[in-house]
Amino acid sequence: QVLLVQPGAEVKEPGASVKVSCKASGYTFTHYGISWVRQAPGQGLEWMGWISAYNSNRNYAQNLQGRVTLTTDTSTNTAYMELRSLTSDDTAVYYCARDRGTVPGIFDYWGQGALVTVSS
Amino acid sequence: DIQMTQSPSSLSASVRDRVTITCRASQSISTFINWYQQKPGKAPTLLIYTASTLQSGVPSRFSGSGSGTDFTLTISSLQAEDFATYYCQQSKGTPHTFGQGTKLEIK
Repeated sequence: QVLLVQPGAEVKEPGASVKVSCKASGYTFTHYGISWVRQAPGQGLEWMGWISAYNSNRNYAQNLQGRVTLTTDTSTNTAYMELRSLTSDDTAVYYCARDRGTVPGIFDYWGQGALVTVSS
Repeated sequence: DIQMTQSPSSLSASVRDRVTITCRASQSISTFINWYQQKPGKAPTLLIYTASTLQSGVPSRFSGSGSGTDFTLTISSLQAEDFATYYCQQSKGTPHTFGQGTKLEIK
């Protein structure tokens, strides 16, 4: 079965960076993309960006451009999201989601989420 | 960016009720809309994609309709496990924006 496994929780200080992993299994990794979606406590869902696991083409949300980098490692079927210059506004659960690909922007499988807390 | 506006923001209903949630896009998105269910502490799950296609494994009491700017998600007969928050999301273009969510609660 398709699984996307993310780490648990991380605590970071303001100004630091975080790199969240998303290990995929149960499908051919390079046939799909991965999108990242975050959810601040008690809030809705915010799409952060997408990366193709086939050719590493990327598309980022404009409000995060310059602070976020998406990468993949096809040798381990793992996607990564790095977010820099963290502030308290970045405290959220960060989800990876498989993008169906044939029609981009449909997220058919999700990781369980990784809580990132930004606090001094 | 395309704005997605859901209504209502919250809704109280009883088991076996028929429930409809609406989503309006700020510009035409054809049928590039998807619906997700999220339970507390869990990741969202895909219910319906491209407006009306039921994701594999999703019960047939869920249905979606609409095109252009106005869309609906209908649950024909609410079950206890359906009480959750529902989000619409457009896949017409990036950023792939979500609605603010509709929290469905037990009456």
